[in-house]
Amino acid sequence: SAVISQKPSRDICQRGTSLTIQCQVDSQVTMMFWYRQQPGQSLTLIATANQGSEATYESGFVIDKFPISRPNLTFSTLTVSNMSPEDSSIYLCSALRPVPLNTEAFFGQGTRLTVV
Amino acid sequence: AQKITQTQPGMFVQEKEAVTLDCTYDTSDQSYGLFWYKQPSSGEMIFLIYQGSYDEQNATEGRYSLNFQKARKSANLVISASQLGDSAMYFCAMREGPGGATNKLIFGTGTLLAVQP
Repeated sequence: SAVISQKPSRDICQRGTSLTIQCQVDSQVTMMFWYRQQPGQSLTLIATANQGSEATYESGFVIDKFPISRPNLTFSTLTVSNMSPEDSSIYLCSALRPVPLNTEAFFGQGTRLTVV
Repeated sequence: AQKITQTQPGMFVQEKEAVTLDCTYDTSDQSYGLFWYKQPSSGEMIFLIYQGSYDEQNATEGRYSLNFQKARKSANLVISASQLGDSAMYFCAMREGPGGATNKLIFGTGTLLAVQP
C-alpha cells in the first residue's frame, strides 16, 4: 500500500493563529481527503482535495476556515485558520487510488492539534 | 443517505479468544465498499480489511475476517485469537458511490476493544 507522510505530528498553538498541515504521498493518487477527529469522536470529512481546482467542502466546513491546496497528485495541505480551542482535534489526510486499486483508503499518521 | 452504525461503544475480550465487532450500514447504492480500521491510542488509522459489495466471499486478512451479510446490510469484523496489542478503537467505514465517483468514506462511531490477559 502507499505511504502518506503527514506533518507536523502534533502542535500546540495559540488561539487566533493558523497552522498548515502537509501530506505527501509516495505514489500518485486520484483522491485526497481531509478529516477531523474531535476528542473521543469518529472521523468527520472536512473536504475532498481536488488536484488543480478548488476543494469540495462538506456541510459545516468553509474554505475561509480550512483552506486546502493540492498542487499535484501527491501533495496536499490543510490550513486551520484563526484557531480557537474548539479546533483542538486530530486532523488526518487520506488518499485513495483509482479503480481497481481503491480497495484501501490509506491515512497519514495524523496531526494532533491543541489550541490554547 | 448513507449511514454506518456501530452499536457497541466498548467491548471486552479475553486474550486468545475471538471477538465480533458489529457494523450495519444503510445505502441505496448497488456498488459500495466496506472498510475496517484500527486506531490505537497513537491516533494513526490502520487499514485492516475491505469488502466490496459484489464480492461473493467474505474477506479475510490473517486474524481478521469480515462477516458480510448483504441482505441484512451488516459487515461485522471478527478478530480471532485476540492479542493484547489488539486493544484499540475500531471503525467501520463505507465508501460512497461506485469507483470513479466521489469515493469519500463515511465512518461509524467506533468500538473500543479492550483485550484482557
